[in-house]
Amino acid sequence: QVQLVQSGAEVKKPGASVKVSCMASGYIFTDYYIHWVRQAPGQRLEWMGWINPNYDGSNSAEKFQGRVTMTRETSSDTVYMELSGLQSDDTAIYYCARGRTKVRGGGIAYWGQGTLVTVSS
Amino acid sequence: EIVLTQSPGTLSLSPGDRATLSCRASQNVYRNTLAWFQQKPGQAPRLLIYGASSRATDIPDRFSGSGSGTDFTLTISRLEPEDFAVYHCQQYGSSPWTFGQGTKVEIK
Repeated sequence: QVQLVQSGAEVKKPGASVKVSCMASGYIFTDYYIHWVRQAPGQRLEWMGWINPNYDGSNSAEKFQGRVTMTRETSSDTVYMELSGLQSDDTAIYYCARGRTKVRGGGIAYWGQGTLVTVSS
Repeated sequence: EIVLTQSPGTLSLSPGDRATLSCRASQNVYRNTLAWFQQKPGQAPRLLIYGASSRATDIPDRFSGSGSGTDFTLTISRLEPEDFAVYHCQQYGSSPWTFGQGTKVEIK
């Protein structure tokens, strides 16, 4: 069965960076896009961007451009999301999620368990 | 960006009731690329509906989606105890993908 297992909770100081990992199993890693979505306390879910594990291409929402880096490691079927210049409003649960279809526009089907990132001085 | 507005914010119903949740988009959703997710406390969202009206794998048929253009509806025909949760709509046809603010279905 499809599984996405994320790294553990992080506490960071303002201005720092955080790198969250997402290890995939149960399907061919390079066949499906991985998306990143975050959920801040009391806020709606927010889509951050995608990475194509096949060719390592990625794209992020304009809000996060210049601050987010998405990479992948095919040897371990793992994708990473690094967010820099953290501020208190970056405190959120960060989810990785697999695309529903092999094309980018198919939406999301499977979610990781989430990683809580807390930004606090 | 497409703004999705869900209503009502909270729906107070009893098991066995019918639930009707609305999601309105600020502009047409491309090819009805609209999904619904269920989220329970402490859990990740779960896909229920994609393409506005197609049920995802293993989703019971008491869940149905309808609508097109800018107005979409999720209907739960008869609420089961496990259906009390928060429901999110999402459009994935235009970048950036966006979500509604959620509707909480609570036990009356």
